[in-house]
Amino acid sequence: GESVGLHLPTLSVQEGDNSIINCAYSNSASDYFIWYKQESGKGPQFIIDIRSNMDKRQGQRVTVLLNKTVKHLSLQIAATQPGDSAVYFCAEILTTGFQKLVFGTGTRLLVSP
Amino acid sequence: SQTIHQWPATLVQPVGSPLSLECTVEGTSNPNLYWYRQAAGRGLQLLFYSVGIGQISSEVPQNLSASRPQDRQFILSSKKLLLSDSGFYLCAWELAGVRVEQFFGPGTRLTVL
Repeated sequence: GESVGLHLPTLSVQEGDNSIINCAYSNSASDYFIWYKQESGKGPQFIIDIRSNMDKRQGQRVTVLLNKTVKHLSLQIAATQPGDSAVYFCAEILTTGFQKLVFGTGTRLLVSP
Repeated sequence: SQTIHQWPATLVQPVGSPLSLECTVEGTSNPNLYWYRQAAGRGLQLLFYSVGIGQISSEVPQNLSASRPQDRQFILSSKKLLLSDSGFYLCAWELAGVRVEQFFGPGTRLTVL
């Protein structure tokens, strides 16, 4: 069935370290993946996306890696800052007449100074 | 630029009372609109989506209903709230026909007592 799961519910890192947040998905028909950042009490914000025909995409301080063989997605944040502390969700997009986002549980990233 | 509004920001309601949450989008026309619910420590569950005025699709059977009386207005309602309706409700929009990210509103925190 459709599911997007995360390996670690909480990730604690030191400021300046690199962070890696992992995500597993189950639907091989998904053709588009998005990472969202959600700060406490706010709606999710788009970070970066990747299409299924790519295996890597880079943004500002963030990199998303996609391994379709094992259905695994990761978000790498370089030089993590206290402002990066939030819950991060991966989502897969299934296009079944409309764009349906299937979200995982989320990983809480805690950045200590 | 486009903006999305939700109100109220927080709401405490007794069991059995009615509910009306409103979402409006500015700066775009004919968006696809979505209602999600987020339980504590969980991912986002899609409740309803709409591709146009008066067009509502429900993803899961529940105690809630949605309506779209205007192009950029999306309303989530209930005639009688249940305890299980408590959660964080998020409205989102996307450009119809364009496969890009969804933009989320600030959310409404609903507590049913």
